[in-house]
Amino acid sequence: AQSVSQHNHHVILSEAASLELGCNYSYGGTVNLFWYVQYPGQHLQLLLKYFSGDPLVKGIKGFEAEFIKSKFSFNLRKPSVQWSDTAEYFCAVNEAYNTDKLIFGTGTRLQVFP
Amino acid sequence: KAGVTQTPRYLIKTRGQQVTLSCSPISGHRSVSWYQQTPGQGLQFLFEYFSETQRNKGNFPGRFSGRQFSNSRSEMNVSTLELGDSALYLCASSQGPGLAAREQYFGPGTRLTVT
Repeated sequence: AQSVSQHNHHVILSEAASLELGCNYSYGGTVNLFWYVQYPGQHLQLLLKYFSGDPLVKGIKGFEAEFIKSKFSFNLRKPSVQWSDTAEYFCAVNEAYNTDKLIFGTGTRLQVFP
Repeated sequence: KAGVTQTPRYLIKTRGQQVTLSCSPISGHRSVSWYQQTPGQGLQFLFEYFSETQRNKGNFPGRFSGRQFSNSRSEMNVSTLELGDSALYLCASSQGPGLAAREQYFGPGTRLTVT
C-alpha cells in the first residue's frame, strides 16, 4: 500500500534560517506530489505540486521542492524562513491519472521565532 | 470565486446518533473528496465522488457513507457515532478527471465532537 513518511515531526527555527523538510513515499508507479500548508486556524492550502517535467518546482511564498525519483523523495525547501511561515506542513501523494485520492504524511509542525 | 464551503462548521453529537455534513465545491468543480483529520491518525481519505458516482473509497467502516448531487454538492453521513469519530472532516474539490485537474482545494472543515 502507498505510504508517505515525513521524518521531521516538529522543527524549530529562527527567522532567516534555511528550511528543509523531508518527504519520502512508497509507490512504484507514476505519482503526483504535493505540499500543503495549514496555518493556525486556517484551512489547508496548496504550496506547490509536481506532475511531470522539471523535478525542481517552485511554489508560493518562496518555497520550492525537488523530486528525486530514485530516492522516492520530494523534499520541501526555503532558503530563509519568516515568522509567518509558522504552520503545519503536509506532504501528499496521488496515483497519477485515475483518482484524486491523496495519501498524506503525518505532517511537520514548523515554529519560527523572531 | 468562492472557495469550498462546508456546513456546519462545528457540531456536537452524542454517541449512537447520526450526523450529516455538507460540502459545496468551487463553482465549476465536479469532483469532491472527503478526509478525516485527527491528531492521532492525521489526514485520512474517506471517499471521492465525480458526477454523482463514488470513484474511490478509503478504509473506513460502513457507518461512513456519502453521496453527490447533480449540482456537485456532496454530503457525508456517519451513523451510530462513536467517540473515535470526533475529528475535523475536510472536503476538497477539483475540476475532475485529467492530469491538470489534480489540484484540489480544501474547505475549512467541520469540527465534529462526539460525547
